[in-house]
Amino acid sequence: QVQLVQSGAEVKKPGSSVKVSCKASGGSFSSYAITWVRQAPGQGLEWMGGIIPIFGTADYAQKFQGRVTITADESKRTAYMELSSLRSEDTAMYYCARSGIEAAATNRYWLDPWGQGTLVTVSS
Amino acid sequence: DIQMTQSHSTLSASVGDRVIITCRASQSIGDWLAWYQQKPGKAPKLLIYKASSLESGVPSRFSGSGSGTEFTLTISSLQPDDFATYYCQQYNSYLLTFGGGTKVEMK
Repeated sequence: QVQLVQSGAEVKKPGSSVKVSCKASGGSFSSYAITWVRQAPGQGLEWMGGIIPIFGTADYAQKFQGRVTITADESKRTAYMELSSLRSEDTAMYYCARSGIEAAATNRYWLDPWGQGTLVTVSS
Repeated sequence: DIQMTQSHSTLSASVGDRVIITCRASQSIGDWLAWYQQKPGKAPKLLIYKASSLESGVPSRFSGSGSGTEFTLTISSLQPDDFATYYCQQYNSYLLTFGGGTKVEMK
């Protein structure tokens, strides 16, 4: 059974960066996509981007282009999401989620399982 | 990007009711649609994938239907554990998008 465990909560100043990790245990890692989804307080789910570790390149939602970097370390079975130039509107819960099927063979996939979430608070 | 619209942000229902949640895509996505349930303070949980395939372990009272641009999630007999927010998500494009969510609350 695959489990995704994320790093702990962060408090950041406006203008700074945050890097959140997502470690996978059990199952395969490299050929499945890891995506990042955020949820602002009281709001819906917003896809930020994703990566298939075996390919190494990430795709990003246009809204976050230039501000987000998603990487993966196959040896550590860990994916990372770094968001820069933080502002108060970036205060949110950030989730990682794995593709439900091997994304290396298809770019069409649902998300399962999900990590527990990492709360990022941006405040001066 | 493909836009996903859930027409009701809130639905009020009682235990035992049949509940239907709708989701519309801005363009045809075939059957590349998933449904998730989210409870407060928890990560989303997969219920349905490929529009109508029930995820293992999900109660059979949940079902999904639709293709193209119109989709529904049906709860045949609402149980106390089902009060939650439900999201649709398209994966026809590698740029994934979610609907705005439908909260099922107690009437």
